[in-house]
Amino acid sequence: DIQMTQSPPSLSASLGDKVTITCQASQNINKYIAWYQQKPGKAPRLLIRYTSTLESGTPSRFSGSGSGRDYSFSISNVESEDIASYYCLQYVNLYTFGAGTKLELK
Amino acid sequence: QIQLVQSGPELKKPGESLKISCKASGYTFTDYAMQWVKQAPGKGLQYMGWINTQTGKPTYADDFKERFVFSLETSASTAYLQINNLKNEDTATYFCARSLRYWGQGVMVTVSS
Repeated sequence: DIQMTQSPPSLSASLGDKVTITCQASQNINKYIAWYQQKPGKAPRLLIRYTSTLESGTPSRFSGSGSGRDYSFSISNVESEDIASYYCLQYVNLYTFGAGTKLELK
Repeated sequence: QIQLVQSGPELKKPGESLKISCKASGYTFTDYAMQWVKQAPGKGLQYMGWINTQTGKPTYADDFKERFVFSLETSASTAYLQINNLKNEDTATYFCARSLRYWGQGVMVTVSS
């Protein structure tokens, strides 16, 4: 099974900051990674698929990049509505979520 | 619009069984597989597996090969998750999802004696 190592577990940012979350797969996942946002009590929301393709409705301040085993997700100009938990997901072989990153306001 | 509507919260005792439903609308049910995801309180998302809505064949992630059963009622565009012999560690919110893009609202399951 493919494992996804996501870091950091938590992140503290000020409004307007740029933040970056990383995920490393245990093997090459050929860019088959998605990123989700989840707010308390809600279902996850798909933001980005296939490394860098923004879903309809995802603000352009969100971005993704990477290849092989290493991937990153960034939010430029953090806004208050971005305070949430974020998860990566590999879907090249079944599915595996990263452990999540909780983004808080500094 | 595409919607997945799940059944209501459950309170069960250890050893009991339960069956959660996920009713789909807004698309042809058999065109897409249905996925299931577990989230324990305060924890991350855990992929449970998926069911082929054309054939009914389930595929379970390693941690969910015992006690967990995915099933369908195709005529009602509904997928089910059954959990047998409930344990305290099954306390969680369970989500159904289509293509991991469209999600149900989640069902909170509490297992407590």
